[in-house]
Amino acid sequence: GNSVTQMEGPVTLSEEAFLTINCTYTATGYPSLFWYVQYPGEGLQLLLKATKADDKGSNKGFEATYRKETTSFHLEKGSVQVSDSAVYFCALRGISGGYNKLIFGAGTRLAVHP
Amino acid sequence: EAGVTQFPSHSVIEKGQTVTLRCDPISGHDNLYWYRRVMGKEIKFLLHFVKESKQDESGMPNNRFLAERTGGTYSTLKVQPAELEDSGVYFCASSHLGLAGGGSVDEQFFGPGTRLTVL
Repeated sequence: GNSVTQMEGPVTLSEEAFLTINCTYTATGYPSLFWYVQYPGEGLQLLLKATKADDKGSNKGFEATYRKETTSFHLEKGSVQVSDSAVYFCALRGISGGYNKLIFGAGTRLAVHP
Repeated sequence: EAGVTQFPSHSVIEKGQTVTLRCDPISGHDNLYWYRRVMGKEIKFLLHFVKESKQDESGMPNNRFLAERTGGTYSTLKVQPAELEDSGVYFCASSHLGLAGGGSVDEQFFGPGTRLTVL
């Protein structure tokens, strides 16, 4: 079945450091891929998405590229800020059999220190 | 435009009691989803409504969970009787009725979640 695996946290970085959070997936066909973020005390927010191979999603300085050959969708940011501290979830949406539901990874907590 | 709201934000109950969670989706969104995150693990799908009909309830863990969406507006998720392993954060999300497969990807908008603790 479909599944998502993302790197375990917590990830602790200093401000302006480079961020990578790894995400790989298992799915049949060509799922859509997402990164969601949950800031403290808030709900999940869509950060970025990609719907087909080689698409790059980007938002707020974050980027992720849909790599079909490696079944990956790693999240990157060149220079993190304290305000980026949150929990990040990688997710996929399949194309068959309950196509609307999102399948999430376990989440990666990011803590950015000044 | 108001976002997805959930009530209560926190609930602490004892094993064997009943709890009802409520979700108010964004106005006009026909799709409504329930998800749950247990013990810091992955967020898991519970079920999906299209208007008042259950489209997919494959993620409901057992018959102690009952979800309703009367009138196709707000939804409730009742847990009766609650067990210790039901503790977690319950998220609700809603979206427009998008196109199936290959069409638009209808973004799901999430509420802040209800943190349920069963003692």
